[in-house]
Amino acid sequence: GQQLNQSPQSMFIQEGEDVSMNCTSSSIFNTWLWYKQDPGEGPVLLIALYKAGELTSNGRLTAQFGITRKDSFLNISASIPSDVGIYFCAADTGNQFYFGTGTSLTVIP
Amino acid sequence: NAGVMQNPRHLVRRRGQEARLRCSPMKGHSHVYWYRQLPEEGLKFMVYLQKENIIDESGMPKERFSAEFPKEGPSILRIQQVVRGDSAAYFCASSPDRIAYEQYFGPGTRLTVT
Repeated sequence: GQQLNQSPQSMFIQEGEDVSMNCTSSSIFNTWLWYKQDPGEGPVLLIALYKAGELTSNGRLTAQFGITRKDSFLNISASIPSDVGIYFCAADTGNQFYFGTGTSLTVIP
Repeated sequence: NAGVMQNPRHLVRRRGQEARLRCSPMKGHSHVYWYRQLPEEGLKFMVYLQKENIIDESGMPKERFSAEFPKEGPSILRIQQVVRGDSAAYFCASSPDRIAYEQYFGPGTRLTVT
């Protein structure tokens, strides 16, 4: 099946630092989404991207849909302790969803 | 406006027993998706259903697993004769239409097979 390569696998950062993570694939997708999952909970949608090249922000979060439609990145600026969690990229071919393996973020106060 | 509800939140079954996981979509949502998440992994698509129809079950194991979304009541994911490898978190999501960004997730059911 399709595979989304998400990196880095984990990050340990100081509060206030910026964070960047990305997802790549060998396949082309119509939609890229970024979710955050807290322990014991379901994923919560952060940002959705629908067009190649699209750059979208949601507060301190910014995500981009790659021009080739095969990748996406998520940036978090000025991290705070509540940013801790696992971030997943997801992509949609129009027929099915695929999820990345996640980036575990730890923010050190 | 209640979100996606899943129950039970935790389920323990012995090998060989049956597990039934329930998902009540958000009000007004007629599309349901089931995913499985193993520890330290992302979510794997299992099945996509609309009311009374299975649209895509390409991610579901061919044996022991089945899903339904009846006209009335919640969607059910059923696992017969569970094995230890079935231990995972099972999430369902719902959407009002087949549109990616409208997919809302429930809190999940954590199945443990002993």
